Amino acid sequence: QQQVKQSPQSLIVQKGGISIINCAYENTAFDYFPWYQQFPGKGPALLIAIRPDVSEKKEGRFTISFNKSAKQFSLHIMDSQPGDSATYFCAASMENNAGNMLTFGGGTRLMVKP
Amino acid sequence: DGGITQSPKYLFRKEGQNVTLSCEQNLNHDAMYWYRQDPGQGLRLIYYSQIVNDFQKGDIAEGYSVSREKKESFPLTVTSAQKNPTAFYLCASSRLTTGELFFGEGSRLTVL
Repeated sequence: QQQVKQSPQSLIVQKGGISIINCAYENTAFDYFPWYQQFPGKGPALLIAIRPDVSEKKEGRFTISFNKSAKQFSLHIMDSQPGDSATYFCAASMENNAGNMLTFGGGTRLMVKP
Repeated sequence: DGGITQSPKYLFRKEGQNVTLSCEQNLNHDAMYWYRQDPGQGLRLIYYSQIVNDFQKGDIAEGYSVSREKKESFPLTVTSAQKNPTAFYLCASSRLTTGELFFGEGSRLTVL
């Protein structure tokens, strides 16, 4: 069962444009929603994360929008740059006795054209 | 510098052979994880460990084995029972109290 669905699988954006990646989750117990960025041949690295007590979090050009009632969250990359070209993963987890186990979306390959 | 070291970066294996991927961390994290990455399928959890000498199966543990004899080390063995082992393998670690995972740079295994 895929608990976190991510779309689109791939995205091409012109330099300076806005990149938008969407994720939907099923488990209402999830309470931590991070985004990871992965460059080719490297491991993913945490980009930005949000908890459901806020609807938006911004760090520089990166913004997470969170809609608890719709069980959706999205990553917006403003003024997209060629250096942003990477694969992006959304994820979700919940506090439980086994610790914080992240469930990942399928990933979005972003290409920003110069 | 603190981080996670995976080795080897590239590995070729013949069918029927076991292979062990190394993962070492010096972040003093309690939890360690192994993920498998295939194109279009995201990251799938193979095994995780939250304490030395204890580990749990993830979503796709069949054909894999792990050990956690030291806090810093969490090697993964891909056995001959794994039917489709060619993939990119990622090791990660975290504190028990936070959700942030720190990843290594991965090991790409190709079965010939």
